[in-house]
Amino acid sequence: NAGVMQNPRHLVRRRGQEARLRCSPMKGHSHVYWYRQLPEEGLKFMVYLQKENIIDESGMPKERFSAEFPKEGPSILRIQQVVRGDSAAYFCASSGGRDEAFFGQGTRLTVV
Amino acid sequence: SQQGEEDPQALSIQEGENATMNCSYKTSINNLQWYRQNSGRGLVHLILIRSNEREKHSGRLRVTLDTSKKSSSLLITASRAADTASYFCASRKAAGNKLTFGGGTRVLVKP
Repeated sequence: NAGVMQNPRHLVRRRGQEARLRCSPMKGHSHVYWYRQLPEEGLKFMVYLQKENIIDESGMPKERFSAEFPKEGPSILRIQQVVRGDSAAYFCASSGGRDEAFFGQGTRLTVV
Repeated sequence: SQQGEEDPQALSIQEGENATMNCSYKTSINNLQWYRQNSGRGLVHLILIRSNEREKHSGRLRVTLDTSKKSSSLLITASRAADTASYFCASRKAAGNKLTFGGGTRVLVKP
């Protein structure tokens, strides 16, 4: 039973490009969370999704950021027109409901 | 500020000593979870304690929950150098299911 899979592990983008981060939840999990982490800091909540629905996006910036979790396939966090300040580690977690949430290894985005 | 604020922010101890860290939260929760993160890696789930539980053990880990004070503690007994990591608590809100993390406690266990 594979854990939460995130890809790519490392992503380098030039300013103005788009970044697409993928997260495949654990088998049987229908809840996905995305978090952002800066070095030496905690995890900042971005968005919580269930299959085909955004449940809570209170942590998402109003512009350039979007997330989806389609019926088939991984959850995608999309950042358009990236800026240097978007450089961070982005983690996703999945759960089956109100129980334990398991994390992927993260995607480290570097904007140059 | 976020739910799940932890203290201390950093802790340095000798191998064999116990490490205790605390977490506070603001609103009603369904459960509270503790995670470990080694530098630059993903988070590893350690233990979950439900709102109707007061204490839970897992190996060298002991977690307590005081819902009247909206606080939790994580105790690592007989620490080892391999326990060096950042430890985060995450509270799952009773309404809405959102999982919110605190700033973490960075633990250094010196051999």
